[in-house]
Order: sequence, then structure tokens, then C-alpha cells
Amino acid sequence: GQNIDQPTEMTATEGAIVQINCTYQTSGFNGLFWYQQHAGEAPTFLSYNVLDGLEEKGRFSSFLSRSKGYSYLLLKELQMKDSASYLCAVRETSGTYKYIFGTGTRLKVLA
Amino acid sequence: EPEVTQTPSHQVTQMGQEVILRCVPISNHLYFYWYRQILGQKVEFLVSFYNNEISEKSEIFDDQFSVERPDGSNFTLKIRSTKLEDSAMYFCASHLRAGANVLTFGAGSRLTVL
Repeated sequence: GQNIDQPTEMTATEGAIVQINCTYQTSGFNGLFWYQQHAGEAPTFLSYNVLDGLEEKGRFSSFLSRSKGYSYLLLKELQMKDSASYLCAVRETSGTYKYIFGTGTRLKVLA
Repeated sequence: EPEVTQTPSHQVTQMGQEVILRCVPISNHLYFYWYRQILGQKVEFLVSFYNNEISEKSEIFDDQFSVERPDGSNFTLKIRSTKLEDSAMYFCASHLRAGANVLTFGAGSRLTVL
């Protein structure tokens, strides 16, 4: 079966660092993606990993361990505008391309 | 920056009616998707479409749903005989090619079934 787990909600303070974890069990794996979604808006792409290790993009970094079925998104120097949901998504390759999303982690950044 | 365009942004319909949601993917993209998100819930895969045919569909995508690419630019999702539980945000997404590709989402069409 398919299972992608994330914490439901997290709270952090402006200027701090926060790590959002994602664990997955899927029938195939061809990449893990992180998206940001503000309330009522579309998901927007943040980062992705295909191979193990850390990918850094400015204030955002994402890590992947395929053997552990684990990823995290690291947000540094938090800003109020980072208050949003963060979605972990896995791309499967069961003959075609299919992206499965986790339930998302709602992050609140406090002043 | 190229974007995926969806219309309408919001549609209200009566239960049992048919609705068509429209999407114009990014022009050189080849793979197209429909997702839905019920309020407060996760983004759920409905269907993927490539080379003018369905590549894969979820168990949600039953006979009530259909997709078409009628004219080489539009990509539509038809929902027949809508039910209350079809109320959701429907997102169209696309990407360029197979391989390491990022889904680009449209702004969504909010469907409210009364």
C-alpha cells in the first residue's frame, strides 16, 4: 500500500530553524518532492530529492534517505510568510508517473 | 513565467448536475494531471494523462469522471451527476517530460455542490 506520514502541525518562532519530517512507504520510488501551500492556494514547488543526501536551495534544504524511507525539509531564518502547509510527495513509477501526497504539515510562525 | 491556467475559479452547482472544469497546461508540457483537495484534507491524485490517453487513474476516478484534451491546448475534467461529496478544490498540474520533473499546479477550481 501507499503511506506518507507527516506531523499534522508545528509551531516555530520567527528567525528560528524548523525541520519537518516525512516518512513514506510506496510501491515505487522515483523522487520525493516538497511543496508549500498557503491556505486556499495551489501547491508551489520547493525542493526535490532523487538520490540520498541533502539538497540546499537558499533558506530551504531537503534531505532524503531511501533505505529508511525518510525525508525532511529544513527551513532556516523563518519568516512570518513561511506560515503555510508543507506537503511531502512521492513520485511512483508503476509503469507511469504518479505523485502521491502526504497529509501536509501546517506550520505556524510566531513573532 | 509560464503557468497552468484553470477556469472557472469557483463553480456552484446543484447535486446531480454535470460540471466541466477546464485547464490550459503550460504549452510545451506533455504530462497532465488532475488532483482534488477536499477542504482541510490532503491533495489526492485523480488521473494522469499522456499522449492523448489516460496513463493512470485512482480508485476515486470512477465512471462519474472523465478527461479530455479536445483541441491540443485545453485539458478538461468532466464530473457527471455531481454529489455533495464532490465539493472540493480541483487542481490541474503538468510537467514537461518523463524523468526528474516538477509538477506545476494551476490555481485550482473550487467546486461547491449544493
